[in-house]
Amino acid sequence: NAGVTQTPKFRILKIGQSMTLQCAQDMNHNYMYWYRQDPGMGLKLIYYSVGAGITDKGEVPNGYNVSRSTTEDFPLRLELAAPSQTSVYFCASRDSTGGVNIQYFGAGTRLSVL
Amino acid sequence: GENVEQHPSTLSVQEGDSAVIKCTYSDSASNYFPWYKQELGKRPQLIIDIRSNVGEKKDQRIAVTLNKTAKHFSLHITETQPEDSAVYFCAASPLVTGNQFYFGTGTSLTVIP
Repeated sequence: NAGVTQTPKFRILKIGQSMTLQCAQDMNHNYMYWYRQDPGMGLKLIYYSVGAGITDKGEVPNGYNVSRSTTEDFPLRLELAAPSQTSVYFCASRDSTGGVNIQYFGAGTRLSVL
Repeated sequence: GENVEQHPSTLSVQEGDSAVIKCTYSDSASNYFPWYKQELGKRPQLIIDIRSNVGEKKDQRIAVTLNKTAKHFSLHITETQPEDSAVYFCAASPLVTGNQFYFGTGTSLTVIP
């Protein structure tokens, strides 16, 4: 199993550009999450999904959109990038069966908006 | 929503000493409390977790305690080693009523050889 795979690893955007951060998991987990981590801070939840076709806002959803057309993929879309979106983005998945609640994180995408 | 506070923000200990990191939470609906270790430039990884029906859990040199009444939980690392140096995050989640995870701001632990 590859686990949770995020692409790209690094990206520099100009203000106003858009991009999609890709996230894929091969563990057949129902739950998937997108977090952002600003320097010296904890993780803030942007969006999450409890299964294909179902998404919901987290703490900091403004400026982002998500979709979940399959169990495996959970892309995060940035429209009209702003400097405030400079951050490290982590995708995670979680298996809720059998009482297990471990979140598995991807390696992260480091995004700079200049 | 839930508010998780974590202290201290930085912690230095001598190798072999113990380290304690404390977190408080605000929402009594939270019932699952994981701890993550994040090494520099790496992804967070779960090191231990505890549910609200348990007061303490141990895994070798790592232990977590939970006080539901006071809404606080703590991570204890004994016999610290240089490889324990990392940023540690606590989190809280109301798994029964919701699916969100709320993270503390992290503690940077340095173990001095």
